[in-house]
Amino acid sequence: DTEVTQTPKHLVMGMTNKKSLKCEQHMGHRAMYWYKQKAKKPPELMFVYSYEKLSINESVPSRFSPECPNSSLLNLHLHALQPEDSALYLCASSRGQGRDTEAFFGQGTRLTVV
Amino acid sequence: DQQVKQNSPSLSVQEGRISILNCDYTNSMFDYFLWYKKYPAEGPTFLISISSIKDKNEDGRFTVFLNKSAKHLSLHIVPSQPGDSAVYFCAASEGNTPLVFGKGTRLSVIA
Repeated sequence: DTEVTQTPKHLVMGMTNKKSLKCEQHMGHRAMYWYKQKAKKPPELMFVYSYEKLSINESVPSRFSPECPNSSLLNLHLHALQPEDSALYLCASSRGQGRDTEAFFGQGTRLTVV
Repeated sequence: DQQVKQNSPSLSVQEGRISILNCDYTNSMFDYFLWYKKYPAEGPTFLISISSIKDKNEDGRFTVFLNKSAKHLSLHIVPSQPGDSAVYFCAASEGNTPLVFGKGTRLSVIA
């Protein structure tokens, strides 16, 4: 199993809603990532979890709240988002954060904030 | 300041010919480089990588070349196929740091 599974694939939410994005991998990877990708731009790193602990937060606004319940799951809780937060949210995982460890990406969740 | 640059936003190549995608970087501490391929509405898919101790890595139709003195790497696809049409991202990392991505090059392979 070399898959990173993200749900839902598409999400439309209002600015007052609370929703969560989910990511799951069963490759035994110990590093998991959230990226945000806008159209025609490269993926931008948001958060890194290493061994289920948050190791990097790239100055992401608090309306995005990550959670790593266990080594296979990564969530991104969304609250009071703005229309400019509409983007493709990608989850990725890798064996570790060291050299020679490529990241595997999920298919992404296309988020639209209305 | 962009640490990983892909200066060609798009590239068109005829089927059967060679596609060459280029990537430049500014951080001399980068020691691992990767290429990802991305179809519309999908996440990036890992394609091929190269460590800074090598200057070439080959996997089937895909070869990555690294020129450390020029801080330049390239991806060669031979022969190019219509299914190769996608956006290609170059990425780099230094030690344990997460990947830094270039802006991507859209490759169109014309039948």
